Amino acid sequence: NAGVTQTPKFRILKIGQSMTLQCTQDMNHNYMYWYRQDPGMGLKLIYYSVGAGITDKGEVPNGYNVSRSTTEDFPLRLELAAPSQTSVYFCASSAGTVETQYFGPGTRLLVL
Amino acid sequence: GQNIDQPTEMTATEGAIVQINCTYQTSGFNGLFWYQQHAGEAPTFLSYNVLDGLEEKGRFSSFLSRSKGYSYLLLKELQMKDSASYLCAARNAGNMLTFGGGTRLMVKP
Repeated sequence: NAGVTQTPKFRILKIGQSMTLQCTQDMNHNYMYWYRQDPGMGLKLIYYSVGAGITDKGEVPNGYNVSRSTTEDFPLRLELAAPSQTSVYFCASSAGTVETQYFGPGTRLLVL
Repeated sequence: GQNIDQPTEMTATEGAIVQINCTYQTSGFNGLFWYQQHAGEAPTFLSYNVLDGLEEKGRFSSFLSRSKGYSYLLLKELQMKDSASYLCAARNAGNMLTFGGGTRLMVKP
């Protein structure tokens, strides 16, 4: 059982470049989330989804976009990378509103 | 609004007991989670409290007081592998988690 998988594990971007962080879960969870974690800090919610076709903003959505075309996949898009987006990005999923969130291994992004 | 406070760092000795405190202010509070995060890894679920009281799970226990906006994580018989960050997270009515900054625990021999 793979759980939540994320690709890539690490990426260096130049300012202004774009990229998509991939997230896939095989637990048939309806809820999926994207967080960022800056060094020595807690996690901040970027976007979340309560099911295919439904997404909503979290605490820090500026500079990001998401889509949810299937239950399994929840990609995060950075259109114009900025140094402030240097962080570790975690994807998570949960079965429902009262269930535990399970996290992927993270993507480390460096914007130079 | 949402606000979670926990100590930044703690140090304890192998075999001892340590208590990590967390205070929260969350509108529509709907549960308190503790996650463990080893350096460079993803957070993993430790415990969940929604009602007042103590939840025990092996060497780890978690306590919640909703009236005081307070929780703690108790780790007994500390082992070197318990060196990690411990994240407190409060859930609101919309199932959104607000995380604290994490407490980095260092276990020394």
